[in-house]
Amino acid sequence: KQEVTQIPAALSVPEGENLVLNCSFTDSAIYNLQWFRQDPGKGLTSLLLIQSSQREQTSGRLNASLDKSSGRSTLYIAASQPGDSATYLCAVRRTGSGGSYIPTFGRGTSLIVHP
Amino acid sequence: ETGVTQSPTHLIKTRGQQVTLRCSSQSGHNTVSWYQQALGQGPQFIFQYYREEENGRGNFPPRFSGLQFPNYSSELNVNALELDDSALYLCASGPGVEQFFGPGTRLTVL
Repeated sequence: KQEVTQIPAALSVPEGENLVLNCSFTDSAIYNLQWFRQDPGKGLTSLLLIQSSQREQTSGRLNASLDKSSGRSTLYIAASQPGDSATYLCAVRRTGSGGSYIPTFGRGTSLIVHP
Repeated sequence: ETGVTQSPTHLIKTRGQQVTLRCSSQSGHNTVSWYQQALGQGPQFIFQYYREEENGRGNFPPRFSGLQFPNYSSELNVNALELDDSALYLCASGPGVEQFFGPGTRLTVL
């Protein structure tokens, strides 16, 4: 059974800091890994999707890396801003029966960036 | 905006009742998935539908069931509600593996 762990569970930093959020998973037979952002009581917004054959993806101030063999992914946020405050979730997908892709989510890292 | 909408936004039910939650996707989003997210937890995968057939299911009992319709809308039905069913229910849809999430329905079971 796939287990996904995110560290730290919570983070509070001053504006401008560079941040590293960690995601680890127990089964390396994954199809892809995706990072999401969730604002309180809201749905999920996709940030970055890394296929199992890829090592990293970048979008603006965000960079995500994937080391499938060690079961780890890192989300790097450069020059953090108060608007980055949210919960960050990582999800790992495996292939299931019938062509489905079964995701397993971590519990998230709750980030507060204060001015 | 993801183009995925859910209704209602909030719902209160009592234990033992039945509930139907609805999701409306964009045209071409042949895959829809439903998730349960308890407070402080990550989303838990309930099931996935592809072209109106269930093709993947998480560790949820049969009282959780769903339907997907040709007009890209879908439903999540939960029978015999329990207190632990209180959660945010998320629907996600997409043309392929990448999926776009709706804002969720907050269900409270008293």
